[in-house]
Amino acid sequence: EPEVTQTPSHQVTQMGQEVILRCVPISNHLYFYWYRQILGQKVEFLVSFYNNEISEKSEIFDDQFSVERPDGSNFTLKIRSTKLEDSAMYFCASRPRTSGGYNEQFFGPGTRLTVL
Amino acid sequence: DAKTTQPTSMDCAEGRAANLPCNHSTISGNEYVYWYRQIHSQGPQYIIHGLKNNETNEMASLIITEDRKSSTLILPHATLRDTAVYYCIVVLTGGGNKLTFGTGTQLKVEL
Repeated sequence: EPEVTQTPSHQVTQMGQEVILRCVPISNHLYFYWYRQILGQKVEFLVSFYNNEISEKSEIFDDQFSVERPDGSNFTLKIRSTKLEDSAMYFCASRPRTSGGYNEQFFGPGTRLTVL
Repeated sequence: DAKTTQPTSMDCAEGRAANLPCNHSTISGNEYVYWYRQIHSQGPQYIIHGLKNNETNEMASLIITEDRKSSTLILPHATLRDTAVYYCIVVLTGGGNKLTFGTGTQLKVEL
């Protein structure tokens, strides 16, 4: 069964450094998402991406964040200058183009980002 | 998106049905009810969704009240592997809609 994959599974970085989190969505999916979950807290939406552009972003997704689909298979989240509060589990999700109310998003296993 | 209210936690004996309630009293006519679950910090997993009719799939059943203000997710024969946080989410139709997760219900299935 196809699945969303994410690399690395755990990333440790120093405050102020840039990190790139990578995701490979399911191949025929057209909508892509990033969510994050700070330890012990809710899963929070960051950004959605469709047709090579951001379709929606949350207040969390400020100028320090960017997303890219560089080669038609990978979907990346970049944090330019990490802060301690960026430490969280980051989940990538994708879904196919469907009609009506169907909105099954397929989530990856997550990347745990630790900022020291 | 309409807000949902769920109990913080529930227990269920293995092999018994787990009935997880959700209130969504401000739901509008073009909003669907979705259920996802998250097993111990793994990525959330889709379970089922519905608009107004009851729905069943291989994982669960979804019962939506006639006024659509509440729903119940039913796991007919809960197993230990069903221990997870269950999220009831109301989603507007159309587009690449984000999922707005609440705190969910921590379901613990015990022997």
